[in-house]
Amino acid sequence: DAEITQSPRHKITETGRQVTLACHQTWNHNNMFWYRQDLGHGLRLIHYSYGVQDTNKGEVSDGYSVSRSNTEDLPLTLESAASSQTSVYFCASARGADTEAFFGQGTRLTVV
Amino acid sequence: SQELEQSPQSLIVQEGKNLTINCTSSKTLYGLYWYKQKYGEGLIFLMMLQKGGEEKSHEKITAKLDEKKQQSSLHITASQPSHAGIYLCGADPWAGGTSYGKLTFGQGTILTVHP
Repeated sequence: DAEITQSPRHKITETGRQVTLACHQTWNHNNMFWYRQDLGHGLRLIHYSYGVQDTNKGEVSDGYSVSRSNTEDLPLTLESAASSQTSVYFCASARGADTEAFFGQGTRLTVV
Repeated sequence: SQELEQSPQSLIVQEGKNLTINCTSSKTLYGLYWYKQKYGEGLIFLMMLQKGGEEKSHEKITAKLDEKKQQSSLHITASQPSHAGIYLCGADPWAGGTSYGKLTFGQGTILTVHP
């Protein structure tokens, strides 16, 4: 079965370190998204991509970057981790217009 | 930008009771998605609504989009402990589904069902 997987599921890192969260989907979807989920804020969009070599900033993109070198993967990089980036991160993919997005299981990141 | 407000923020019901969760938008809704999330897990897609007055059902869950397309409701009939979790509404911010899956979400409603 096609799926979307995130790794790691849990990570603790120190302030200032670079961190990369992986997202891999096997649906061959062109559209992929990264969200963060925080109490009181719901899900907020960080970055998204509509295809290989395409990346776009979302609502809360400062301090994050993504790259899309193939259809299956959209890694999210925290350039210099900050405590404010402690959160649960979700990756999602969608086939196209008017279709639902499928979400990964999430990565819980703690920055100490 | 579009904002979605869900109510109530949390809900505790006895098993077997009916309940309704609302999602109100600051702008016209062109695509409204309902998801369910269990603690520590990802979001599971429930239903998508696009047309004013549209209603969809799956098992004991019914979702409606009002005629003016600014509010949606999720109704659960005869709730069960398996219905417990966080319910989130997500909206396509542009007409015609041109956001291609990029959604704005409400803050979520936490549902607890006591056996």
